[in-house]
Amino acid sequence: DTGVSQDPRHKITKRGQNVTFRCDPISEHNRLYWYRQTLGQGPEFLTYFQNEAQLEKSRLLSDRFSAERPKGSFSTLEIQRTEQGDSAMYLCASTFSDIGEETQYFGPGTRLLVL
Amino acid sequence: AQKVTQAQTEISVVEKEDVTLDCVYETRDTTYYLFWYKQPPSGELVFLIRRNSFDEQNEISGRYSWNFQKSTSSFNFTITASQVVDSAVYFCALSSTQGGSEKLVFGKGTKLTVNP
Repeated sequence: DTGVSQDPRHKITKRGQNVTFRCDPISEHNRLYWYRQTLGQGPEFLTYFQNEAQLEKSRLLSDRFSAERPKGSFSTLEIQRTEQGDSAMYLCASTFSDIGEETQYFGPGTRLLVL
Repeated sequence: AQKVTQAQTEISVVEKEDVTLDCVYETRDTTYYLFWYKQPPSGELVFLIRRNSFDEQNEISGRYSWNFQKSTSSFNFTITASQVVDSAVYFCALSSTQGGSEKLVFGKGTKLTVNP
């Protein structure tokens, strides 16, 4: 297994367009997280899934954002009607949920630039 | 609320110098985990270490060492004999085992530049 993968690595779009990102977690990892990182800041939590269930969403996740994880495998994050403020690095992480001592492993991220 | 503070925004050293990156955290939870991640220019966050709140033993891994002090809510990271390849942004993070998600709360990071 080669780790968490994300696609695309870079995305440039015009304001108002919709974009979708994909994350493939490490196989058999049942938890998947999405974070957003803006320039000069640490990553901020957006949402997470336990298998296919989306169990928590941050207030950062406005109505224009939606995430899915069908069948508990890969996940997609869609942003509708993009705004310039959405420009950021979107990071995905996965882990195997057990009682304590979980480490989240991150993918390479998708850099979004909204013009 | 949980919070992580990395007061050092940028540090610049010359190769072979030792350097310590500071991390101070805030949490009301009794059980929690602390992490350090490295983010090279490529952008991927690379896991370095995890400590739980009950284990205050210092840890050494090669040139890396970590000092966890619960009394001062600090989890500092030292690189001994720094190398150019250590240049990156380093993030300290905190997660709680209470609440279910165990999401990570990150500091703003410290950019380390090691000059030859």
